[in-house]
Amino acid sequence: QVQLVESGGGLVQPGGALRLSCAASGFTFNRNNMHWVRQAPGKGLEWLAFIGWDTTTKHYGESVKGRFIISRDNSKNTLDLHMNSLRIEDTAVYYCVKDLDWGFDYWGRGTLVTVSS
Amino acid sequence: QSALTQPPSASGSPGQSVTISCTGTSSDVGGYNHVSWYQQYPGKAPKFMIYEVTKRPSGVPDRFSGSKSGNTASLTVSGLQAEDEADYYCSSYGGSDNWVFGGGTKLTVL
Repeated sequence: QVQLVESGGGLVQPGGALRLSCAASGFTFNRNNMHWVRQAPGKGLEWLAFIGWDTTTKHYGESVKGRFIISRDNSKNTLDLHMNSLRIEDTAVYYCVKDLDWGFDYWGRGTLVTVSS
Repeated sequence: QSALTQPPSASGSPGQSVTISCTGTSSDVGGYNHVSWYQQYPGKAPKFMIYEVTKRPSGVPDRFSGSKSGNTASLTVSGLQAEDEADYYCSSYGGSDNWVFGGGTKLTVL
């Protein structure tokens, strides 16, 4: 069965950086597009970034454009999110998500990122 | 890209039907048939319920159905059950290589 397991979350100071990783299994990773989606405490879902199966097609939401970088390693079945210049408002649970027909069909359990001094 | 508009709350009694709306613009909901819906219980990851406006993934009960008219998509839950009490989110491809979510609707089963 499809499994997506995020890691790398934690406490970071404003202005700091963090790298999130997602280990994927149970499907043909190198043939599927992937996303990162986040959810601030008590708030709704926010789409952050997309990466195509080809590793080169990338798109970002306005709130993270220029600060976050999405990448993947199809040889290791991993998806990453490099986060820089972190702000307090980036505090959220970050989900690794598999794409299906422009929707989000499988979600990891999420990893919590807390930005605080 | 602005978030899609959903009512903050909805409710119904067991056995009844409830419809949750999701309003966007001609640039997202109205412009593409790439609308999807998600169910989320507290502290859990969202679950994929509807995609491409009307399609149901395997395992999702047929009590859940989706539709769209113009810039507004809708999720209907028929034959409400206690386990349907959750938060529901819509999403749409927004064109210009981005995706947008609704603010979420808390469904209460009375």
